[in-house]
Amino acid sequence: SQTIHQWPATLVQPVGSPLSLECTVEGTSNPNLYWYRQAAGRGLQLLFYSVGIGQISSEVPQNLSASRPQDRQFILSSKKLLLSDSGFYLCAWSHPLKGGRTDTQYFGPGTRLTVL
Amino acid sequence: LAKTTQPISMDSYEGQEVNITCSHNNIATNDYITWYQQFPSQGPRFIIQGYKTKVTNEVASLFIPADRKSSTLSLPRVSLSDTAVYYCLVARLPTGRRALTFGSGTRLQVQP
Repeated sequence: SQTIHQWPATLVQPVGSPLSLECTVEGTSNPNLYWYRQAAGRGLQLLFYSVGIGQISSEVPQNLSASRPQDRQFILSSKKLLLSDSGFYLCAWSHPLKGGRTDTQYFGPGTRLTVL
Repeated sequence: LAKTTQPISMDSYEGQEVNITCSHNNIATNDYITWYQQFPSQGPRFIIQGYKTKVTNEVASLFIPADRKSSTLSLPRVSLSDTAVYYCLVARLPTGRRALTFGSGTRLQVQP
């Protein structure tokens, strides 16, 4: 079966510090990978998605970046955090699209980031 | 993606059936309707997906009228643990490797 891991679970960082959040998926190959951010009491905002190693699409321009160094690893980074970067960060994966496959996304446990 | 409209919040009591309706007037022929559930501090979880008429699984039922401009998620006999946010999404299947867009969802509060 497939599993998705995210770490750390919680993080408190000062403004201006760097950020690195990691997401890994097990039990599947060539997944689509996604990073979302959710502000308190709000819906999910898609930040990045990737259909393969080194292939990153950005949905929202900001001071965050994403990388996919391996097939099942997705990293969210920032060089200098802003207060507005606080939120709940979720990684998700979906099956690579083939005939009959659904677009269902499977989410990780999330990382709660607080920027002070 | 077709735009969806859901109620912001709903209240219910344990043991009742809850129906959450989602409007998607601009749904396209190839679009499917998917519902997710999200508990606090967790990622959304897939509940059910359908194209037309009725779909039922162990968790919920999904009713889709013939014109497909709306859909209703039905949760039978809710319990306190069903308190969560429910998202309705409409997306093409297959979607050409693009991501789904989540709106604000419906916040369901189940009371004892």
